[in-house]
Amino acid sequence: KNQVEQSPQSLIILEGKNCTLQCNYTVSPFSNLRWYKQDTGRGPVSLTIMTFSENTKSNGRYTATLDADTKQSSLHITASQLSDSASYICVVSGGGADGLTFGKGTHLIIQP
Amino acid sequence: DGGITQSPKYLFRKEGQNVTLSCEQNLNHDAMYWYRQDPGQGLRLIYYSQIVNDFQKGDIAEGYSVSREKKESFPLTVTSAQKNPTAFYLCASSLRDVNSPLHFGNGTRLTVT
Repeated sequence: KNQVEQSPQSLIILEGKNCTLQCNYTVSPFSNLRWYKQDTGRGPVSLTIMTFSENTKSNGRYTATLDADTKQSSLHITASQLSDSASYICVVSGGGADGLTFGKGTHLIIQP
Repeated sequence: DGGITQSPKYLFRKEGQNVTLSCEQNLNHDAMYWYRQDPGQGLRLIYYSQIVNDFQKGDIAEGYSVSREKKESFPLTVTSAQKNPTAFYLCASSLRDVNSPLHFGNGTRLTVT
């Protein structure tokens, strides 16, 4: 069964600090890995998509890494801001419109 | 501005009633999706459509129905057969490229009592 596991479940850090969120997956076949940001009560917004051949991708202060051999990904947030408070969801695609497996998300709280 | 619009944002219904959730997009995307989000769980696929007048069941289609009469619109009906309908419903669209991101609406929170 395809699975995406995210850790930690929740995280609290001070504004200005860096943090790293983890995603481990057992999805086969593998097409791409995505990170989404979801603010409370709103829909997720895409941060990055990485294919098998990409091992790092940045979007502003967000940097995602992918190790396809160990089936692990991380999302690093630099110099956190209050607006980074959200849930971050890791999604792995096995190909096909119905081939997405969603993680449960990491709930991040940035404190002033 | 291009995007996906879901309405209403909040919906309250009595048990036994059918209810229809609206989803409209002006991104010219061929593919549209309905997901359900419950606390502590990952998003689960209800139905998806890759072209007008065609749609496929997802992982949890029982108790739901959809139509795709126009490219821009993909309404979801939650029927009385759905055993646990209270949830946050998200509509999304994308290009048909497997590496294209999903664009989500801001959801409809349905409460059935």
